[in-house]
Amino acid sequence: DAKTTQPNSMESNEEEPVHLPCNHSTISGTDYIHWYRQLPSQGPEYVIHGLTSNVNNRMASLAIAEDRKSSTLILHRATLRDAAVYYCILRGNSGGSNYKLTFGKGTLLTVNP
Amino acid sequence: GAGVSQTPSNKVTEKGKYVELRCDPISGHTALYWYRQSLGQGPEFLIYFQGTGAADDSGLPNDRFFAVRPEGSVSTLKIQRTERGDSAVYLCASSPLREGGEQFFGPGTRLTVL
Repeated sequence: DAKTTQPNSMESNEEEPVHLPCNHSTISGTDYIHWYRQLPSQGPEYVIHGLTSNVNNRMASLAIAEDRKSSTLILHRATLRDAAVYYCILRGNSGGSNYKLTFGKGTLLTVNP
Repeated sequence: GAGVSQTPSNKVTEKGKYVELRCDPISGHTALYWYRQSLGQGPEFLIYFQGTGAADDSGLPNDRFFAVRPEGSVSTLKIQRTERGDSAVYLCASSPLREGGEQFFGPGTRLTVL
């Protein structure tokens, strides 16, 4: 599985934007970039995913570098409820590589009031 | 609607005992996954079911671990002769698509082996 690298932790203030980086220099052309987050004492939850173009949904935005070797998850206005571990995951698009999620240690985001 | 549920939420057992952990996926989801999460680590894949059959059990650590999904809905993860190293949070997830879809996770079962 292609590997991702994320900072161990980041800190933000409430109502400010947060940019969570992820490096994936060995990404293959068919790998999708997925983001999940895990709130304290809960299972992970899906945030967003993309292939090449930037993506937006109600939770966040995903900015993908032109060479696809890195991406950034953007929370436009952090709230205390966004405090969680954020995981950047590469996922293939064909049989054998696109069902299981391979988690790293993720980035622990702390949001200060 | 109801999400993925897991029972029990906490299980404390003694070394050498047998335990069963249950997962109720979202109704209609054909794919079901088990993961294990140790303290300070991300979840680690154990097994994937498509319908009733285990499509990939390559993540099961050894033959003490076994999982079933006899009717294609509820799944049970079974651990024989538990060891202290089995202590972890066991997470279940389900997905509506055959492969590649968003996975919906349950809250997990925290297993402690004394």
